[in-house]
Amino acid sequence: GDSVTQMEGPVTLSEEAFLTINCTYTATGYPSLFWYVQYPGEGLQLLLKATKADDKGSNKGFEATYRKETTSFHLEKGSVQVSDSAVYFCALRSNQFYFGTGTSLTVIP
Amino acid sequence: KAGVTQTPRYLIKTRGQQVTLSCSPISGHRSVSWYQQTPGQGLQFLFEYFSETQRNKGNFPGRFSGRQFSNSRSEMNVSTLELGDSALYLCASGASGPYNEQFFGPGTRLTVL
Repeated sequence: GDSVTQMEGPVTLSEEAFLTINCTYTATGYPSLFWYVQYPGEGLQLLLKATKADDKGSNKGFEATYRKETTSFHLEKGSVQVSDSAVYFCALRSNQFYFGTGTSLTVIP
Repeated sequence: KAGVTQTPRYLIKTRGQQVTLSCSPISGHRSVSWYQQTPGQGLQFLFEYFSETQRNKGNFPGRFSGRQFSNSRSEMNVSTLELGDSALYLCASGASGPYNEQFFGPGTRLTVL
């Protein structure tokens, strides 16, 4: 079946460091891909999405490119802030949504 | 537009009891999905409803059930509660179509004692 694999956490970075969270997927057909973020005590919020190969989703300085050849959708940010501390989920939508296990990010000043 | 709302936000029950959680989707959304989130298992899909019909179902025992009403509001029921059912239960709504994202509610925190 379809699935998402994302990098294990936790990840700890200093403020202004570069962030990469790896995500790869397995799917038949052409799924849409998403990154969601969850802050403590809250539900998940959509961060960005891409609906076809080579699409780049971006929001709040975060970016991810839909790479069909490598079945990947890695999340990147050039300079993280303390306020980016949260749990990040990669997801795909085919017949239903499939979520990765989440990667916890802590940014220290 | 109001977001997805879930009630109650917090719930404490004892083993063997049953519980009903409620979810009101964003106006106009006909799809509602439910997830269970625990520290050990992460986010696990329970089921999805679309226009009052269950469209997909995850791998949970029959104690977990749901329904959707004609106004798209949804309820989830768990019978004969077990300690392992303690979790954050998230509801998400979405518009139809293969490219549309889901919008999540804040969740209901269920504690089973």
